[in-house]
Amino acid sequence: QSVLTQPPSVSATPGQRVTISCSGSSANIGSNNVNWYQQLPGTAPKLLIYDNNQRPSGVPDRFSGSKSGTSASLAISGLQSEDEADYYCAAWHDSLNGPVFGGGTKLTVL
Amino acid sequence: EVQLVESGGGLVQPGGSLRLSCAASGFTLSNYNMRWLRQAPGGGLEWVSDISSNSKNLYYADSVKGRFTISRDNAKNSLYLEMNSLRGEDTAVYYCARGTMATIPNWGQGTLVTVSS
Repeated sequence: QSVLTQPPSVSATPGQRVTISCSGSSANIGSNNVNWYQQLPGTAPKLLIYDNNQRPSGVPDRFSGSKSGTSASLAISGLQSEDEADYYCAAWHDSLNGPVFGGGTKLTVL
Repeated sequence: EVQLVESGGGLVQPGGSLRLSCAASGFTLSNYNMRWLRQAPGGGLEWVSDISSNSKNLYYADSVKGRFTISRDNAKNSLYLEMNSLRGEDTAVYYCARGTMATIPNWGQGTLVTVSS
């Protein structure tokens, strides 16, 4: 049972826009920044979005993040086949002294 | 270029012990807090433990507290995770990582630990 809640799966066709939601509480998302990770099959997670809406160097601007209250979302526009992966949200949890993650959302590009 | 390379994974019986290592390169390890995370087969990501740059502050997830010990040797550019009293639910790929709060820009490739008789 993950601390942050994500939909298990989403799907869309190439070129479309898709959003992935992430719900938490006042102890994590409500008081800390949200980060998003992309994990391609058989590889380590890769930082995709940090501090709610910032993209590390090299991440295309098709990826964007937002946060409101105790929820956050990741949007991917102009969907491409190579975007097919698992996506995880993460936030610091104040009482645990560690980061907590969502259960992951599998994105399928139809 | 930051590189983190884990080693030491393998098959261990329930109740057994294992020590994971992480070799760091491309940056000065002594300047950074470090952590271990894990991912069960087909499962999500789970934070395991954090260690401060000078080893004075150690933090553990409740699921491993009292059984796992994190340590580091800055002179050897290495991070370690000593795992005791292993259980089936500890079966996972273990990642060494560098990051701050929930922002983790650097991950190793992971090492698989399988706890089974």
